[in-house]
Amino acid sequence: DIVMTQSPDSLAVSLGERATIKCKSSQSVLYSSDNKNYLAWYQQKPGQPPNLLIYWASTRKSGVPDRFSGSGSGTDFTLTISSLQAEDVAVYYCQQYYSAPPYTFGQGTKLEIK
Amino acid sequence: QLQLQESGPGLVKPSETLSLTCSVSGGSVSSSSYYWGWIRQPPGKGLEWIGSIYYSGSTYYNPSLKSRVTMSVDTSKNQFSLKLSSVTAADTAVYYCATQSYVQYQLPYYFDYWGQGTLVTVSS
Repeated sequence: DIVMTQSPDSLAVSLGERATIKCKSSQSVLYSSDNKNYLAWYQQKPGQPPNLLIYWASTRKSGVPDRFSGSGSGTDFTLTISSLQAEDVAVYYCQQYYSAPPYTFGQGTKLEIK
Repeated sequence: QLQLQESGPGLVKPSETLSLTCSVSGGSVSSSSYYWGWIRQPPGKGLEWIGSIYYSGSTYYNPSLKSRVTMSVDTSKNQFSLKLSSVTAADTAVYYCATQSYVQYQLPYYFDYWGQGTLVTVSS
């Protein structure tokens, strides 16, 4: 199984400041034949289901604000919120779809306002 | 836009079988573009993928649950279902159904659309 490890477990950032969440996979999720990283990011607000933000490590889903960006390759990935808004308070998860079963998620990072 | 809605008992007794259904609207379970997945989340914890099914009946199950999981698709009702047998308190969770983007001859990808989730409690 590919183990996904996020850091930090929780994070407090001031409004308007940058938030950075890391995700590390236990093996590369870069598929050499298409040069794509099989990595997605989700946002889960309290009492709601997860919402897909980013797939292929850096492609924003339609409708996702451009303050959200994904980067990285191989085993190390980053979700960045360029200017934190109050509505961004949530738990964020990464997920690999390079190898399955099983599909695996990171443990989650809780983002709060400082 | 696809919409998914989970339904089923909110309380299941230990050793019995948990049964949930996901109703799909705004699209068809017979679509070649999606696998149909189940993910669960114990209270206050993270996400665990249970399994995914294609309209043809092809399935992928989490090896940790495989011996207890059965998934099915009902194209006439535009629904898909999950059965989890021999449940214990550890199976108490919010259960989500979700679409999983798919391209032929590949593994299914990320989870695009999610239902609101349904809490299932295992207790006598």
